[in-house]
Order: sequence, then structure tokens, then C-alpha cells
Amino acid sequence: DAGVTQSPTHLIKTRGQHVTLRCSPISGHKSVSWYQQVLGQGPQFIFQYYEKEERGRGNFPDRFSARQFPNYSSELNVNALLLGDSALYLCASSTRGTTTDTQYFGPGTRLTVL
Amino acid sequence: RKEVEQDPGPFNVPEGATVAFNCTYSNSASQSFFWYRQDCRKEPKLLMSVYSSGNEDGRFTAQLNRASQYISLLIRDSKLSDSATYLCVVNRGSNNNDMRFGAGTRLTVKP
Repeated sequence: DAGVTQSPTHLIKTRGQHVTLRCSPISGHKSVSWYQQVLGQGPQFIFQYYEKEERGRGNFPDRFSARQFPNYSSELNVNALLLGDSALYLCASSTRGTTTDTQYFGPGTRLTVL
Repeated sequence: RKEVEQDPGPFNVPEGATVAFNCTYSNSASQSFFWYRQDCRKEPKLLMSVYSSGNEDGRFTAQLNRASQYISLLIRDSKLSDSATYLCVVNRGSNNNDMRFGAGTRLTVKP
């Protein structure tokens, strides 16, 4: 079975631009979470979606938004990019998104903001 | 103070050594606990969940002390393939995956 997939794998943008990152969960998984991992740090929780509804949000500015589609895939959007947004963006999926569900991570999208 | 704190290491150990990692968390309402492993420039992968009674998976033993808000991971008989960053993860959500990661502890196992 295919794991979590993310696209694109790498992306270079300039300050002020907008970016859209995409994630396809493991088949049968209905929950998707997004994380930002800055070099040398652990992943930081951005959003969780379950059945197309936002279930959780981390401490990120409103420039960050996301949505989940009927097929459970998800997009993360970041507006007005800042240099500090350069990071690895990870998507994780789980069956129901509850506290004991195992999350499986995709390979990530490496975003560089110049 | 960070919500999940780990010793960043690095830990450099010879093959066959036993190594222990510690992690503390600040939110006493945290619900579930995990250790993830992350190889260089790869995604995190679940190593094991951590239960209050302690749990073992082969060479790996995890323990949780809720009273002290402390989690540990013990690796016995280290292999070269154990070289990675080990992330302590605390889930503070009640019905969601609000997972908080430590910054990770870097382990290098040498021949």
C-alpha cells in the first residue's frame, strides 16, 4: 500500500509570495495533520483535519490555512511568505485522528523562502 | 520553557552499548506519549508508544512517569542502524492529534 504522499518535494519562493502544499493520506485514513519542522528542531503542529473539518490548530499566524477535500487529501496554504517560513512541511495521516491513533508521516515538502 | 524538553546530545556510543534518553513535558493534561525516530533528511517514523506500565519492543524499552512528567527510552545492544535522531512526542489533545515534539536527541552508533 502507498504511504502518505506529498507534493512538491522541494519548492523555492520569494518573500511575499504564496504557496500551496499538497498531501494525500494513506488509503482509509480520514485524518490529516500538518507540521512545520525548522532545521534542528522537532516538528511543530500547525493543523489537524478530520472528515473535512478543522479539529485542531497550533500557534501559527493567520497566513497559514488549510483544507481537506472529500477524498481526504489536504492542502496547506501559506500567504505573504517570510524568510522564517523556510522549513520542511510534513503531513501525517491517521485513521480517526484521536489521541491514541498512530500518525504516519509523508516525506515532506522542503520550502525555501529567499 | 519548551513544552517537551530533550537532551539534544549528540550521544556517540560504540556498537553493543546501552544508551538511555530522557524527556520531560510540562503539560500535566497530556494524553498519550510516543517515541519517533527520524533519519537525516527523512520523515519521522513511529518507534513505539509509551505506556504508564512501561513497555518493551525487542531492544527498546520505554517508560512513563506521569507524576514526574518524565519519559525515557532505553536502547540495549546498540546497532549501527540505530543511528538517528530520537524525538519525544506528547499528545496534549483530548480528541485530536495535537502532538508536541521535542527537538530530538541525536544518536550515533560507531563500530
